[in-house]
Amino acid sequence: AQTVTQSQPEMSVQEAETVTLSCTYDTSESDYYLFWYKQPPSRQMILVIRQEAYKQQNATENRFSVNFQKAAKSFSLKISDSQLGDAAMYFCAYRVPYNTDKLIFGTGTRLQVFP
Amino acid sequence: GAGVSQSPRYKVAKRGQDVALRCDPISGHVSLFWYQQALGQGPEFLTYFQNEAQLDKSGLPSDRFFAERPEGSVSTLKIQRTQQEDSAVYLCASSTQTGTEAFFGQGTRLTVV
Repeated sequence: AQTVTQSQPEMSVQEAETVTLSCTYDTSESDYYLFWYKQPPSRQMILVIRQEAYKQQNATENRFSVNFQKAAKSFSLKISDSQLGDAAMYFCAYRVPYNTDKLIFGTGTRLQVFP
Repeated sequence: GAGVSQSPRYKVAKRGQDVALRCDPISGHVSLFWYQQALGQGPEFLTYFQNEAQLDKSGLPSDRFFAERPEGSVSTLKIQRTQQEDSAVYLCASSTQTGTEAFFGQGTRLTVV
């Protein structure tokens, strides 16, 4: 069965600094998608970044980038130039590549940003 | 509205009561998902619809949980005889088709007392 593990329940960073959130996963599939979602107190899940497993190049979206290590089944999120608005819960998710497209989420990392 | 809309945003139910949670997906979105998010946890998959067909209900925790999407748009998640362990946030998500990004609603926080 596929699983997603986030080993950091909480992380903190100073404004303008860089922080990295860790995620590992387990799957026997070779083709799949990985995601990082942000969940602010409003509870709405917002997609931050996505990575296709068949792409070797790490995805980047403005201040957000990933370090995707397929062999190690590792998918970390780097947030550069952190802003107060980045404070939220961050969830790593794996998408089952067939049938339903359902997402399997980790337990989340709470990111605090200090001025 | 432009996004996924869920109602009510908050629901308090007495143990044993039946509840119905509504999800209005983005217009034209074929796929619809329900997830359950317990306090301090990540969301867990409950069920999936493609149009009006419920193709996967493997995540529904018991036969007290029932979901429907009769006309392929609005969906309702019904929980019968609610129990305290049903307390959670219920998230709905929709997407245009298989393989595309899913957009989430703001969820319904259910508290069973």
